[in-house]
Amino acid sequence: DSGVTQTPKHLITATGQRVTLRCSPRSGDLSVYWYQQSLDQGLQFLIHYYNGEERAKGNILERFSAQQFPDLHSELNLSSLELGDSALYFCASSADGAVRGSIYFGEGSWLTVV
Amino acid sequence: DAKTTQPNSMESNEEEPVHLPCNHSTISGTDYIHWYRQLPSQGPEYVIHGLTSNVNNRMASLAIAEDRKSSTLILHRATLRDAAVYYCILRDPLNYGGSQGNLIFGKGTKLSVKP
Repeated sequence: DSGVTQTPKHLITATGQRVTLRCSPRSGDLSVYWYQQSLDQGLQFLIHYYNGEERAKGNILERFSAQQFPDLHSELNLSSLELGDSALYFCASSADGAVRGSIYFGEGSWLTVV
Repeated sequence: DAKTTQPNSMESNEEEPVHLPCNHSTISGTDYIHWYRQLPSQGPEYVIHGLTSNVNNRMASLAIAEDRKSSTLILHRATLRDAAVYYCILRDPLNYGGSQGNLIFGKGTKLSVKP
């Protein structure tokens, strides 16, 4: 158990809909990262938040947005969903923002768009 | 984005040592070398990381070439549980505002362990 909690574990929704994925980082960790893993793209870095502020952006679509709240939990919002958004979404956390050491991944949220 | 080169797959026998290579010829002086692994249906898991010197922990050893252009992850005695995809990643903690400061995964090496 990494200490990173993601909900929901599985989600099935229709095209055009909007979903929210939630992440609780390890206790005390200030950084939260979101990744998307699909069969054809592998693990893609989406976005990094540190203590409530966006630190870095990766391959995140405009239809996707994220935020980190004062209690440090984070949410990834996916809107106007397309079939290609079906993937496993991982959240990870680390103690600092410069990421000198290891980061810890949750078990992921499986999103299926039908 | 990943600046590393790894073999697509490797095979090992159970209880034998495994040496997983990684080439990173364009490594910068501030890049750390990180290794993560991903077991089937799980999130990636930290294995080890280093900058210049060889590193050991309870999971593995990391051998870094003197010129830092390559490294090797060593599993001393492979078990069936070590079957996973192993990722070698360079990260520059001084560049945290850009993607280089974050973990950018390549395709990794799929390790199979035979009983």
